[in-house]
Amino acid sequence: QQQVKQSPQSLIVQKGGISIINCAYENTAFDYFPWYQQFPGKGPALLIAIRPDVSEKKEGRFTISFNKSAKQFSLHIMDSQPGDSATYFCAASILNTGNQFYFGTGTSLTVIP
Amino acid sequence: KAGVTQTPRYLIKTRGQQVTLSCSPISGHRSVSWYQQTPGQGLQFLFEYFSETQRNKGNFPGRFSGRQFSNSRSEMNVSTLELGDSALYLCASSLAPVYNEQFFGPGTRLTVL
Repeated sequence: QQQVKQSPQSLIVQKGGISIINCAYENTAFDYFPWYQQFPGKGPALLIAIRPDVSEKKEGRFTISFNKSAKQFSLHIMDSQPGDSATYFCAASILNTGNQFYFGTGTSLTVIP
Repeated sequence: KAGVTQTPRYLIKTRGQQVTLSCSPISGHRSVSWYQQTPGQGLQFLFEYFSETQRNKGNFPGRFSGRQFSNSRSEMNVSTLELGDSALYLCASSLAPVYNEQFFGPGTRLTVL
């Protein structure tokens, strides 16, 4: 059973456009929601993370929007660049239980010049 | 500061064999987690070690085991390999279990023939 559902599976965006990736979860005990970026041949790298006490977190061109009542969160990449082309994973965990992360299935983002 | 290192990077085994993968965490990090990444299932949590003790375990058969040494280095072992064990095995380290910022290594690509 997939604890975190991610969509879309793939996304093509023009350079300068906005990329939006969505995730949904069921377990209301989750209280940490990171996004990871993975390039081919590399391990995932933490991009940005949010806790459910805030509805939005912004770091540079990357923004997480969080809707606790809907149990959904999304990643927005503003002014998308070709260098952003990668696979993006959302994840969720319960802070006090350690580092057992539940990952979404990933979104392959291609930014066309 | 050196990142998480995993050895070997690539491995080819045949069904029924066993394999041992190694992970060296970032210096000072004491928590090590292992994940299996496949195209169909995405990233799935295997187990987490802290202070040489397994803290969490994912839903994998007993053929998958691990351990952590006093210097925080970790190994995982898969016995009686099956074709379905072909995957990228990722190791992630963090300061401690309650510090959810995990840093991933590049992974070990295991192919079972």
